[in-house]
Amino acid sequence: EIVLTQSPGTLSLSPGERATLSCRASQSVSSSYLAWYQQKPGQSPRLLIYGAFSRATGIPDRFSGSGSGTDFTLTISRLEPEDFAVYYCQQYGSSPPMFTFGPGTKVDIK
Amino acid sequence: QLQLQESGPGLVKPSETLSLTCTVSGGSISINNYYWGWIRQPPGKGLEWIGSVYYSGGTSYNPSLKSRVTLSVDTSKNQFSLKLSSVTAADTAVYYCARHTNAEAGATFDYWGQGTLVTVSS
Repeated sequence: EIVLTQSPGTLSLSPGERATLSCRASQSVSSSYLAWYQQKPGQSPRLLIYGAFSRATGIPDRFSGSGSGTDFTLTISRLEPEDFAVYYCQQYGSSPPMFTFGPGTKVDIK
Repeated sequence: QLQLQESGPGLVKPSETLSLTCTVSGGSISINNYYWGWIRQPPGKGLEWIGSVYYSGGTSYNPSLKSRVTLSVDTSKNQFSLKLSSVTAADTAVYYCARHTNAEAGATFDYWGQGTLVTVSS
């Protein structure tokens, strides 16, 4: 079973700053199966990035994904007030079918 | 716009069976290449995939929960359901239903219900 680790646990930044979130897998993951979600308090998660790099419908271009193998990154180029939230990475493995989420990174206001 | 809505008891006694239903509106559950899943989130913690079901009835389960989970689908009602047996306090969580794409499309959860809190307590 692949385990995802996210760092840092909490990122304290100011609006307008750049946020860099890391997701590391215990073994190599296909980029096609790496996604990122945003969750705000009291809300359901929202898909941001799929296939490691592709933005989901309606996601602003300040969100970008990169990486391969075991190391993936979500970058928010300039934080807007609405971006302060928890971010989860997720991977899919096909044998057997299995979804795994990372523990999350909380981006809060400094 | 596709919408998913969870329903079911908010309180379940230990050792009993948790039962939830997800009603899909704004689209058909009987659509090729999309699956219907359950994810849970204990209070203040992260997300855990429970399992997924296809409209034809095919299922996949998280190995850590497989012995206690049953998923089913009712296409006539545009609903799918979760049963989790022998619950303990550790099963207390917000339970989400969600749609995910097939592997060819990246296997991501693109639509989510609002979630429902289920507490296991006597």
